[in-house]
Amino acid sequence: EDQVTQSPEALRLQEGESSSLNCSYTVSGLRGLFWYRQDPGKGPEFLFTLYSAGEEKEKERLKATLTKKESFLHITAPKPEDSATYLCAGKNTGNQFYFGTGTSLTVIP
Amino acid sequence: EPEVTQTPSHQVTQMGQEVILRCVPISNHLYFYWYRQILGQKVEFLVSFYNNEISEKSEIFDDQFSVERPDGSNFTLKIRSTKLEDSAMYFCASSPGTYYEQYFGPGTRLTVT
Repeated sequence: EDQVTQSPEALRLQEGESSSLNCSYTVSGLRGLFWYRQDPGKGPEFLFTLYSAGEEKEKERLKATLTKKESFLHITAPKPEDSATYLCAGKNTGNQFYFGTGTSLTVIP
Repeated sequence: EPEVTQTPSHQVTQMGQEVILRCVPISNHLYFYWYRQILGQKVEFLVSFYNNEISEKSEIFDDQFSVERPDGSNFTLKIRSTKLEDSAMYFCASSPGTYYEQYFGPGTRLTVT
């Protein structure tokens, strides 16, 4: 069964305290691992797509990496405005996307 | 910047009634999707749509659900006979290609009473 698991469920960081979010996946014939940010009451906002193991992408304080079994979202020196829920999703060989339950990040000033 | 729009933002309906949720995808996108998110739970895939037909659907997308692209701009999700458990946020998304990222709309909150 295709699925995506994220950990931790919630993470509280002090401003400037770097950390990583984990996304483990079992998606048949993965055709892309996607990271999104979701603010309360809003739709997910696209951050990154990773297609193959070893691939890395960066945007401001965020860096996403991918292995054959998991993906990490590294947050370097976070700011309060980075507080949100971060979602990852895997796409299978069809056109179905499987989302994890997300990691709720709170960055304390 | 182009964006996906959805109407209404909030819909309240009685159990057993039909509802239609509307979406306007980004204009040059080819793939369209509906998702739902029950409060506090994960985003769940419902259906994908390409070239005027369903390309994939999940187990959730049973006979009470249908999708349509009635013209060149709108994409709709119809729920024929709503149940209490259909209460959720429904998101529409569009993508330029099958391996590309999806862009989500702001969602429609459906409340079934």
